[in-house]
Amino acid sequence: LAKTTQPISMDSYEGQEVNITCSHNNIATNDYITWYQQFPSQGPRFIIQGYKTKVTNEVASLFIPADRKSSTLSLPRVSLSDTAVYYCLVASAGKSTFGDGTTLTVKP
Amino acid sequence: GAVVSQHPSWVICKSGTSVKIECRSLDFQATTMFWYRQFPKQSLMLMATSNEGSKATYEQGVEKDKFLINHASLTLSTLTVTSAHPEDSSFYICSARAGGTTYEQYFGPGTRLTVT
Repeated sequence: LAKTTQPISMDSYEGQEVNITCSHNNIATNDYITWYQQFPSQGPRFIIQGYKTKVTNEVASLFIPADRKSSTLSLPRVSLSDTAVYYCLVASAGKSTFGDGTTLTVKP
Repeated sequence: GAVVSQHPSWVICKSGTSVKIECRSLDFQATTMFWYRQFPKQSLMLMATSNEGSKATYEQGVEKDKFLINHASLTLSTLTVTSAHPEDSSFYICSARAGGTTYEQYFGPGTRLTVT
């Protein structure tokens, strides 16, 4: 079971790009990396998933180096509404457990 | 697509009573469902994993006789908190995963349980 480690908190300002890195040193060959966003009293919301290299969708990009022991979620031009907790999750055939997540605070 | 619902969204019950929470995958068939519990300002803690038609697998420290999980169909799983106590008050979140090789999980909106 791959354990994930992320910074506890990050601050940013509106309009900036934010990069949140997650380490998952014991990721297995068939595992995928998934990122979620959670607001207070809500369930986590799927942001993006990837296996290797770079994945981009309408809200974020995900960078995964060749060794796959870490990943970086990139949020372009954040706004106040992006203030939330962000979790990376290693998705496997079995269970997936959450790490502590990163609390992102976007300031005006 | 990939919508998961939970019902109720919040519930208040008296100590000693039982409460059932439903989790439904609305637009896909969920071969596996997960139940999490989250206390204020903490991460989600996995309680159990259930596969359709099979008994749930509980995490260490989670009482299976207190938290009854039923995954009777590919779109419905239920969590029943039996003989609830105030310390069971928490935010309960389910997630569902379809078959496939990417293991994406989709989460419900959560259920706030308050035991008085």
